[in-house]
This record gives sequence, structure tokens and C-alpha cells, in this order.
Amino acid sequence: DAGITQSPRHKVTETGTPVTLRCHQTENHRYMYWYRQDPGHGLRLIHYSYGVKDTDKGEVSDGYSVSRSKTEDFLLTLESATSSQTSVYFCAISEWTEGNTEAFFGQGTRLTVV
Amino acid sequence: RKEVEQDPGPFNVPEGATVAFNCTYSNSASQSFFWYRQDCRKEPKLLMSVYSSGNEDGRFTAQLNRASQYISLLIRDSKLSDSATYLCVVTDYNQGGKLIFGQGTELSVKP
Repeated sequence: DAGITQSPRHKVTETGTPVTLRCHQTENHRYMYWYRQDPGHGLRLIHYSYGVKDTDKGEVSDGYSVSRSKTEDFLLTLESATSSQTSVYFCAISEWTEGNTEAFFGQGTRLTVV
Repeated sequence: RKEVEQDPGPFNVPEGATVAFNCTYSNSASQSFFWYRQDCRKEPKLLMSVYSSGNEDGRFTAQLNRASQYISLLIRDSKLSDSATYLCVVTDYNQGGKLIFGQGTELSVKP
């Protein structure tokens, strides 16, 4: 299995508080992604990174920010958590080289905003 | 319009049946295509890549039609263990390797 870990795995937080989720990889892959998954919506891309300090928005980026100060870590911050951000969050990594384009996922973080 | 769209589920089939899933994508510049499998809200895992020439892996066959911008997955001789959600994934290198998922199609194989 690819070396990718998410922390925390579960979190309950109150509305209005900031929350940071961490994705850590040991594969030295260039690309990293944050998704959220909700019933009926599949995986929706929040933000992604194509290198250190290089990030871009996905389709559901409002209310989220990210940072990537080193290759191995990609942080997702909910600046002021809302109940609509209750979801399962997945981090993924990939490396786009000839013949090797598989993306690997972390085990997910279940976030509940009350 | 969503960038990647899949057949709505769930698909309920008996063991041994053949089932097909389709997926359409809107970005004609997309270069790479995949099918992922997800079990019970666990992390998605790669089932197979999809190539223009089509590819087969045992009971699974994937096809890509660039002209019509759709990909398909065919599962023959369905097993109970095939019950899962199947996710279509499309990417565009020119957009920083952005991976876009369809909403997924749930398959339930019954005895």
C-alpha cells in the first residue's frame, strides 16, 4: 500500500471553529488532492496541489484553504466550520509518469460539525 | 453540467449476470481515464486504467470512445464480491493533473 496517512481520522467540532486536516505521504509524489464525499455526490474536488506552494481550486473550494510547504504534507483548513462541511474527507496522491498514473487514497477523515 | 457523469444507480443484478456501466466526460482535452472501486465508504482503489484500444482484466473490460467522450466498464459473470460503488475518473495533464470523479454507480450482486 502507498504511504499516505490522514489525521485525524475522526473529529467532532463546533460551528465557527477552525479545523485543519493533515495529509502526509512518504512516496514523494508531486500531486496531492483533497476531496469530500457526501451521499449522492461522489467525490468532489476541493483543492489540489501540483508541487510545493503550487495549489489550485477544485469545484467546491469555498470555505476551505490549503497549504503545501513541503512535498510530503498537504493541509486542508476549514476557516470557520459550518454544518454543511460535515462530510468524509479523502486525500489522494499521484505521480504522473509514463505508465504510472495511479492515484492512491488515504483512509479518510470523518468530520462532524455540530 | 458536471465534468464527469455516470449512470445513476443502484444496479441490482443476480450472480452470473453481465452488467455495464457508462460514463461521459465534457473535457475533450482529457488524457487519462480510470475506473475505481469503493467499498462501504472506504477509500477508493484503482480497478483499471482505460485505454483507447480497450483493455481487459479477467472478467472486467474497459473501453474508451474519444469521439463520443465516454468510457465504459463491462463486468461479466458477476460475483457477490463485485458489490461496490464504481467510480469513473478523468484527468487532464494541462490542468495540473486534476482528477475528476463521477458521482459513482452502486452495484449490488444478489445470490
